[in-house]
Formats: sequence, structure tokens, C-alpha cells
Amino acid sequence: EDKVVQSPLSLVVHEGDTVTLNCSYEVTNFRSLLWYKQEKKAPTFLFMLTSSGIEKKSGRLSSILDKKELFSILNITATQTGDSAVYLCAGPQGGSEKLVFGKGTKLTVNP
Amino acid sequence: NAGVTQTPKFQVLKTGQSMTLQCAQDMNHEYMSWYRQDPGMGLRLIHYSVGAGITDQGEVPNGYNVSRSTTEDFPLRLLSAAPSQTSVYFCASSTSGHNEQFFGPGTRLTVL
Repeated sequence: EDKVVQSPLSLVVHEGDTVTLNCSYEVTNFRSLLWYKQEKKAPTFLFMLTSSGIEKKSGRLSSILDKKELFSILNITATQTGDSAVYLCAGPQGGSEKLVFGKGTKLTVNP
Repeated sequence: NAGVTQTPKFQVLKTGQSMTLQCAQDMNHEYMSWYRQDPGMGLRLIHYSVGAGITDQGEVPNGYNVSRSTTEDFPLRLLSAAPSQTSVYFCASSTSGHNEQFFGPGTRLTVL
């Protein structure tokens, strides 16, 4: 069965550190991989990676997709306390419209 | 443009009661879905719909029913609530299951 596995499950850093969050995505028919940020409310969209768009960047956040290995990383540079959140990775199950999420990485940025 | 709206925001039920969680979107999205979120479990797909009149099961469909009579609305029904259904429920909509999902604010449900 297709699945999305994120690591680490939790991470504690200090302000100014750079962090890398991992997402491995086992799927039979790759179409896209999505990243979300969730604070104490609904998830908010960060990036969508596809075969034609394997690198995305927005400010201090960037994401890369290794389409061959179906592995993605989310990088956050110069972390701030406002980056503290759960970061979720998701992908559609191969051949279907079912979007499946990983369990998330809980990032805590201490001042 | 309200986006995705959910009602109620909070609900407490007794075991065995039934209720409907409401979800509506005004973006003319064909794809709508329901997720539940439990501590440490990420978001788990309950049911989804690719258009009016079409629904399908997600990862954890047992104990829940859905219907999609219009493009705008996608209600989730709990037939006989159980404590295991205590969770936060999110509704989402999109153009498809592999594009950006727009989430509602969530409903926090407690079953006693």
C-alpha cells in the first residue's frame, strides 16, 4: 500500500538554526507531493512538488523532490519561534484521488 | 469569498447519539474530503468526493457516512457516536486530490 513516512517525528532547535525535515513517499504512480504547516488550527499550504517542479522556495523555506527516490526534504533556514509548528507531507495514492498524509514532524524553535 | 466553512466548531455527544458535521465551500471545487486528526496520527482520510453524486471511502471510513448532492456541500454523518470518534475533524476542498487542498477551520468533537 502506498504510504507517506516523515522523519523525524519531533525536533527541537534554537532560533537561527537550519533544519531539514524528511518525507519519503512510496507510491506506484507519482503525481505530486505536498507540504503543509499546521499551528494550532487548520493546515496551511506551503509547496506542491511535481515531475515538472521539483524545487520550490519561499523566503526561508525551500523544498526539493528526488523523483527517482520519491524522497522530499523541507529546509528552513534561520529558524524563528514562529516556525514552531507541525509540518505535514502528503501525496495522492497511486491511480486514485485519495490524498494521504504522513504523521508530521513537530518542530519546536526555542528563543 | 468565505472559502471552506465548517459547523459546528465544537460539539459534545453522548455515546450512541448521531449528528452531522457540515462543510461548505464557495470555490466551485469538484473535490472535497473529510479528515480526522488525532494526537500523533497526522491527518487520516475518512471519505472523499470527486464531484456531486460521487463519494468514496478513505483510510478510516467505518462509523461515518457522506453524501454529495451539490458541488458546494459535503456533510459528514456519525451514525452512532463512539468515544473512539473523539477527534478534530477537518473538511477540505480542491480542484483534485493531487492539488493544493483548502482546509476549513475544523470541528472539535468529544464523545462521552
